[in-house]
Amino acid sequence: QKEVEQDPGPLSVPEGAIVSLNCTYSNSAFQYFMWYRQYSRKGPELLMYTYSSGNKEDGRFTAQVDKSSKYISLFIRDSQPSDSATYLCAMRLNTGGFKTIFGAGTRLFVKA
Amino acid sequence: GAVVSQHPSRVICKSGTSVKIECRSLDFQATTMFWYRQFPKQSLMLMATSNEGSKATYEQGVEKDKFLINHASLTLSTLTVTSAHPEDSSFYICSASGSRDPVGTQYFGPGTRLLVL
Repeated sequence: QKEVEQDPGPLSVPEGAIVSLNCTYSNSAFQYFMWYRQYSRKGPELLMYTYSSGNKEDGRFTAQVDKSSKYISLFIRDSQPSDSATYLCAMRLNTGGFKTIFGAGTRLFVKA
Repeated sequence: GAVVSQHPSRVICKSGTSVKIECRSLDFQATTMFWYRQFPKQSLMLMATSNEGSKATYEQGVEKDKFLINHASLTLSTLTVTSAHPEDSSFYICSASGSRDPVGTQYFGPGTRLLVL
């Protein structure tokens, strides 16, 4: 079993839709949870990070962590064609250096 | 802030030659740098973690003698692919974390696409 599971998609939605991206994980010790966006042939860029459980909102993006279910989500409201990219979830422990475990990434297509 | 650059962005080389890729943190001091490899439509595969002034820690299955990593300063790390072969063709991405960031957030470079003929 992988430490982090993420559906690779692709996920195709119409412009303006609400997008829900999810990851599950097996290590209950993970404390930091991050979402990265990667455009084709580019390096990933950090979108959001959260510590422990709860929600965090930043503009059209909301990150949600449910540690009891070992489940994290990223919601994108009013999706735009420019949101089309691969979204990677990532997480790490609170100790042991900064080694981060990444999900496989979900490819998102937002159609105009 | 938190900008990481990589050079070159693309490189084509002949089999058997060595290729050096540079990773620089432009506006912060990177105490830790990571090197990843990414195949098409796949996630990031961590190759090694390097701390400034220390030897790199390689992930299982990554050949230390083939992928030489040097983290000589707080703003520069290099990855040298020695005696490159076609199977080494891939997208190589570095990331950096700064000591002042309690989260240990990694900031990624734009990647280097390597093609070995």
